[in-house]
Amino acid sequence: KAGVTQTPRYLIKTRGQQVTLSCSPISGHRSVSWYQQTPGQGLQFLFEYFSETQRNKGNFPGRFSGRQFSNSRSEMNVSTLELGDSALYLCASSLVPGQMNTGELFFGEGSRLTVL
Amino acid sequence: AQSVAQPEDQVNVAEGNPLTVKCTYSVSGNPYLFWYVQYPNRGLQFLLKYITGDNLVKGSYGFEAEFNKSQTSFHLKKPSALVSDSALYFCAVRDRASGGSYIPTFGRGTSLIVHP
Repeated sequence: KAGVTQTPRYLIKTRGQQVTLSCSPISGHRSVSWYQQTPGQGLQFLFEYFSETQRNKGNFPGRFSGRQFSNSRSEMNVSTLELGDSALYLCASSLVPGQMNTGELFFGEGSRLTVL
Repeated sequence: AQSVAQPEDQVNVAEGNPLTVKCTYSVSGNPYLFWYVQYPNRGLQFLLKYITGDNLVKGSYGFEAEFNKSQTSFHLKKPSALVSDSALYFCAVRDRASGGSYIPTFGRGTSLIVHP
């Protein structure tokens, strides 16, 4: 069974640009969540999607958005990039959404974004 | 609110010695507790979880963790460390109480360095 696939793995952008990251969950998994990982802030929750609906959202500005498609694939978008958005963005999938999930999350390898 | 603390940024241990990575948590109800490991330039991998039952939980790669409700701790342990165990370790907690957050909160991570 293929794991969680994130693309692109690495990208470099400049301030003010926007970026779209993609995540394909494990086959059969319908919940996708996104996290931002930085050395200073650790792992911070961005949002969770289930059945194309955003179920939970972390404390990030509106520049951060996401969506989920009918095949459970998810994208996140960051507009008007700032230097502080440089981070590893991790996607995780699970069979069911957080409220019913007592099990583990399955993470992708991440997309490393560098903003210059 | 739920939170988790990993009091040590880094743990150093000699190969063959026992290791402990500390984690304490705070939730309003009863917790679900998790440990994940992250190798360089990789996503997080699930190690083990505590849901209910036996306070000693065994997981992947010879790791185990002990749930201590009175001390609100969930320390990760291994009897004999390997150089290949060197990685970043994350503790995570999720509150079981209704109305609590269904999204796990992650600690800031502890870097484990095992010296040959």
